[in-house]
Amino acid sequence: SQTIHQWPATLVQPVGSPLSLECTVEGTSNPNLYWYRQAAGRGLQLLFYSVGIGQISSEVPQNLSASRPQDRQFILSSKKLLLSDSGFYLCAWSGAGGSGNTIYFGEGSWLTVV
Amino acid sequence: ILNVEQSPQSLHVQEGDSTNFTCSFPSSNFYALHWYRWETAKSPEALFVMTLNGDEKKKGRISATLNTKEGYSYLYIKGSQPEDSATYLCAGWDAGNMLTFGGGTRLMVKP
Repeated sequence: SQTIHQWPATLVQPVGSPLSLECTVEGTSNPNLYWYRQAAGRGLQLLFYSVGIGQISSEVPQNLSASRPQDRQFILSSKKLLLSDSGFYLCAWSGAGGSGNTIYFGEGSWLTVV
Repeated sequence: ILNVEQSPQSLHVQEGDSTNFTCSFPSSNFYALHWYRWETAKSPEALFVMTLNGDEKKKGRISATLNTKEGYSYLYIKGSQPEDSATYLCAGWDAGNMLTFGGGTRLMVKP
């Protein structure tokens, strides 16, 4: 069966520090991978998605970046965090190519920038 | 990206009440609609995936309908229980293979 893991679960970082959130998927190959964020009092916002290794699409201009160095690994990064980057980050995957495919989410990562 | 909107933003009901909320989306460029149940600090859990106009899906006391011609979906909960308290998210897939979430409806069921 397929599983998705992301870490760390909780992170408190000072303004201006770097960020790295990692996500891995097991039990499937060539998944579509996503990073979503929920900012305080808001719904889920798509940040990045990837349909293959090295292929990253960004939906929102920001100081975050994403990379997919391996088929089932997706990394969210920042060189310098802002206060507004605080929120709940969710990694997710779906089967390749299907609009009817369910999206499966990781456990989430709480980021607090202080 | 689809413009997906949900209403109401929040809803308080008594245990035993039945309730429903709405998800609206542009009827053009639509491929599929998903409903998710999301408890705080947990992963969203998929409830339904619907693609065809007139689709009706049911899971226990929760059901959903889809009208792709007019661009809306309803989620119904019959006989709400405190454990139904959560945020219910709908999301639409478009032709560009993007899943866009609405802002969610936060349901609170009082015992």
